[in-house]
Amino acid sequence: QQQVKQSPQSLIVQKGGISIINCAYENTAFDYFPWYQQFPGKGPALLIAIRPDVSEKKEGRFTISFNKSAKQFSLHIMDSQPGDSATYFCAASKGTTDSWGKFQFGAGTQVVVTP
Amino acid sequence: NAGVTQTPKFQVLKTGQSMTLQCAQDMNHNSMYWYRQDPGMGLRLIYYSASEGTTDKGEVPNGYNVSRLNKREFSLRLESAAPSQTSVYFCASSERSGQIRQHFGDGTRLSIL
Repeated sequence: QQQVKQSPQSLIVQKGGISIINCAYENTAFDYFPWYQQFPGKGPALLIAIRPDVSEKKEGRFTISFNKSAKQFSLHIMDSQPGDSATYFCAASKGTTDSWGKFQFGAGTQVVVTP
Repeated sequence: NAGVTQTPKFQVLKTGQSMTLQCAQDMNHNSMYWYRQDPGMGLRLIYYSASEGTTDKGEVPNGYNVSRLNKREFSLRLESAAPSQTSVYFCASSERSGQIRQHFGDGTRLSIL
């Protein structure tokens, strides 16, 4: 079973709108939460990441919000652009030496931004 | 500036055939990974190599073998392909096993009939 649950499966947003993708996890040992962006025919690329010692991290139009008590984190894409149309994956990793690089991925969210 | 290169890009196999997927990186990274991506499942780690000369099982290793040929190359072998192994396979690399940023190749789309 997936240790990281991601929703929604897909979403359509108008240009200039806000895209919101949510992820929930069970394992409290997870302490690193990256988001990846994947365009069709390409591999995923790291977009932004957060550790549980902060509640929010912003990079340009992309913001991660983290709620440690609820074991949830979300990606917000502000002022969505057609070029943001892609599949987004959340992931989680444990902070132990033998776990580095071994991420649990969510199932992905396909985002379509209409002109 | 190639990054991570995977070959082939597409392949169709018959059940029972064997095949090796190739991966090479030119970033002098120590750690390399093989994932499979299936609809609704996200990415799942098959095997990884924290450094040259070491390999370890990931989440879904059954039916696969790997070889870390040298620091640049990490291959994935299907000894006897099964339809359940139809998937998109991604190779990734990172500077070291503690490095969070993984660089992915563009994938190999494998169909097994």
